[in-house]
Amino acid sequence: GQQVMQIPQYQHVQEGEDFTTYCNSSTTLSNIQWYKQRPGGHPVFLIQLVKSGEVKKQKRLTFQFGEAKKNSSLHITATQTTDVGTYFCAGPDKLIFGTGTRLQVFP
Amino acid sequence: NAGVMQNPRHLVRRRGQEARLRCSPMKGHSHVYWYRQLPEEGLKFMVYLQKENIIDESGMPKERFSAEFPKEGPSILRIQQVVRGDSAAYFCASSLNDRLSNQPQHFGDGTRLSIL
Repeated sequence: GQQVMQIPQYQHVQEGEDFTTYCNSSTTLSNIQWYKQRPGGHPVFLIQLVKSGEVKKQKRLTFQFGEAKKNSSLHITATQTTDVGTYFCAGPDKLIFGTGTRLQVFP
Repeated sequence: NAGVMQNPRHLVRRRGQEARLRCSPMKGHSHVYWYRQLPEEGLKFMVYLQKENIIDESGMPKERFSAEFPKEGPSILRIQQVVRGDSAAYFCASSLNDRLSNQPQHFGDGTRLSIL
């Protein structure tokens, strides 16, 4: 079945540093969604990518969908303490969630 | 415009008891999904329902677990004869259209189930 893997599993950064998480699927995805879950909270939808090679930006967050539609990345520029949480990518079928990347930002 | 409502937020049960978790989707949403999340882990899909129909229950254990989404009222995830391994956070999500459409899922705050 479809599997979605994310790396790294954990990332600790100093406030102001950049952060990137990568998502890789075993199969081609019709679309990919990204979610953020704060500690103790619930997943919150961030964005959806549909087109091959698509790049979308939300303030300091940049999302990219690979040309083959099997991988995606989320890049955060100049992290802030409010960015702390776990970032999940998810494929469409059954909304298979990736393993998540837990981001910790030190002030 | 209320979001996805789950209750209770916290539920404590002794081994062998039954646990009932409720989820009311966002207004206008007819697609409901249940996920389980163990501490420090990702979300695992359990079941996908539409009103009065189970569409996909491939992620749900065959025994002790059941789910429903009646015509009226919330979706219910029921766990019979709970065991310690059932301790987890159970999240419900709803969407406007089916999972293969380009619609995001909206999550509730979850139910934290603890088994003594």
